[in-house]
Amino acid sequence: AQRVTQPEKLLSVFKGAPVELKCNYSYSGSPELFWYVQYSRQRLQLLLRHISRESIKGFTADLNKGETSFHLKKPFAQEEDSAMYYCALRGNTGGFKTIFGAGTRLFVKA
Amino acid sequence: EAQVTQNPRYLITVTGKKLTVTCSQNMNHEYMSWYRQDPGLGLRQIYYSMNVEVTDKGDVPEGYKVSRKEKRNFPLILESPSPNQTSLYFCASSSGVGAGELFFGEGSRLTVL
Repeated sequence: AQRVTQPEKLLSVFKGAPVELKCNYSYSGSPELFWYVQYSRQRLQLLLRHISRESIKGFTADLNKGETSFHLKKPFAQEEDSAMYYCALRGNTGGFKTIFGAGTRLFVKA
Repeated sequence: EAQVTQNPRYLITVTGKKLTVTCSQNMNHEYMSWYRQDPGLGLRQIYYSMNVEVTDKGDVPEGYKVSRKEKRNFPLILESPSPNQTSLYFCASSSGVGAGELFFGEGSRLTVL
């Protein structure tokens, strides 16, 4: 069964500290993995996807197929990073639907 | 401006009173989907549509209906709302099978008394 697990509901770090938001997935094929972010009073938006292999706003995420993980990392957290983060998986069968984890709220303290 | 528009943004209704949440996108996207967001559960897919007149159930379709008569519109219908459908609803679209990114509406907060 397809599943995305984000074990932390809330993550609180100080400004300038490294941050890692964990994401593990379960899927029998080769999925596409994403991180979406929802800032306060804004709509959900794409942060990054694994096939792009790019860094957005200082965030990176590496797909580890052996561990079925797609953790989001940033070396130095900023206050403006405070938001809700969702890991998502898009399958390549069954309508190509996208499923989401429960989300992690990141709070960056000054 | 390219966007997904949902209406209403906020609605309080009573059990059993039929309601429709509209969703419209102006990006000529083929794929559209409805999610509900509940605390601790993340976003769960209700229904999705691969194209006009093509719809399919997501993970939590019970109590909902959808239609896709035009490419740009994908309304969510609650024929007889119940309190367990109190939630925040999001419509999303993407450009099709080969594309991955979802574009989201601002959300519709529904309360069923």
